[in-house]
Amino acid sequence: ILNVEQSPQSLHVQEGDSTNFTCSFPSSNFYALHWYRWETAKSPEALFVMTLNGDEKKKGRISATLNTKEGYSYLYIKGSQPEDSATYLCAFQNTGNQFYFGTGTSLTVIP
Amino acid sequence: DVKVTQSSRYLVKRTGEKVFLECVQDMDHENMFWYRQDPGLGLRLIYFSYDVKMKEKGDIPEGYSVSREKKERFSLILESASTNQTSMYLCASSLFGNSYEQYFGPGTRLTVT
Repeated sequence: ILNVEQSPQSLHVQEGDSTNFTCSFPSSNFYALHWYRWETAKSPEALFVMTLNGDEKKKGRISATLNTKEGYSYLYIKGSQPEDSATYLCAFQNTGNQFYFGTGTSLTVIP
Repeated sequence: DVKVTQSSRYLVKRTGEKVFLECVQDMDHENMFWYRQDPGLGLRLIYFSYDVKMKEKGDIPEGYSVSREKKERFSLILESASTNQTSMYLCASSLFGNSYEQYFGPGTRLTVT
């Protein structure tokens, strides 16, 4: 079983703060790295899919970077809002089309 | 909007029962997936399918089987439910090919007593 690690496990920030979290994954057999947001009582929703080393993706106040050589990805949230409160999951997809999810970072934004 | 639906949000079954979890997607996606989610372990892939009647084992297929007779429907079967299969089960679908995002259903929380 592959190890995909996310840190921190949980995070509390004040509204307006910027924050970031990390996803670490194996650097071998890499195909893609996925980020999902999972709000309580809802389904996980895709944020980004990244495939190339050095990829940077952005959606509104949320952005992500990818380093496949060292096996990590960062997710950044600028100016956090209460509606950003959710668990953020990353998933490592290998060349065999298997998916390995991390345990997530739980973000709480305090108004 | 892509919609992935699962037959039940909550299910309680007894040990030894045969359990069917159904998943339906309406976007003509080729790939479909079944995961389970347990505290501290993240989502773990049970099985996936990339075409009708095709299936591939994921990380934890033991104790489960799947069926995909139609493109839009992917069923997870617990032949003889056990208490260690108490979990949250999530279905997902995606377009064929790699690096496409997955669309998830709302999940089924299964309790086996």
